Amino acid sequence: GAVVSQHPSRVICKSGTSVKIECRSLDFQATTMFWYRQFPKKSLMLMATSNEGSKATYEQGVEKDKFLINHASLTLSTLTVTSAHPEDSSFYICSADTGTGYGYTFGSGTRLTVV
Amino acid sequence: EDQVTQSPEALRLQEGESSSLNCSYTVSGLRGLFWYRQDPGKGPEFLFTLYSAGEEKEKERLKATLTKKESFLHITAPKPEDSATYLCAVYTDKLIFGTGTRLQVFP
Repeated sequence: GAVVSQHPSRVICKSGTSVKIECRSLDFQATTMFWYRQFPKKSLMLMATSNEGSKATYEQGVEKDKFLINHASLTLSTLTVTSAHPEDSSFYICSADTGTGYGYTFGSGTRLTVV
Repeated sequence: EDQVTQSPEALRLQEGESSSLNCSYTVSGLRGLFWYRQDPGKGPEFLFTLYSAGEEKEKERLKATLTKKESFLHITAPKPEDSATYLCAVYTDKLIFGTGTRLQVFP
């Protein structure tokens, strides 16, 4: 149980276009989901906390207008990278608190490459 | 400022050679400490949650312990399939990750 599905796993887009990444909780309801960014051989950096039915809370230094987060239902949160540039290329991972006390469950990640 | 530091950064072990990974932390209001395993190109996979000093948890060849300032992940008689990056994270009002330890186990 407690599976988080993230899609797509890989995406290549042209500079200036937008990309949407989906994160779904498959067998539980997630009122809160989290979006992370990970650079090669680096730690996960929290970008924002996504709350169902309300605005996301962004970490300091994260551009709200570039990284749009929508959490329209208890099982789906989306991250849209707008007007992507090569420096936005990274590994993006979502997670959700299952509420079971067994930690946060993570999606499998999305490798974004902007060319 | 809350900080999580993991050491060593990388570790190479022979199959069967036991060792320990360290996670030291400086945080205010620790609510829990998590250990995750991450394979290349994948999201972190949950291993353990520890809540209070003195607590220990085991799973197969892995054992996690917690003190007031650090946590250890002990790997007993590792196998090549244990090769991965092991991440430590502390939970205050959010998860703060360390940079991880890249473990390679050779046959």
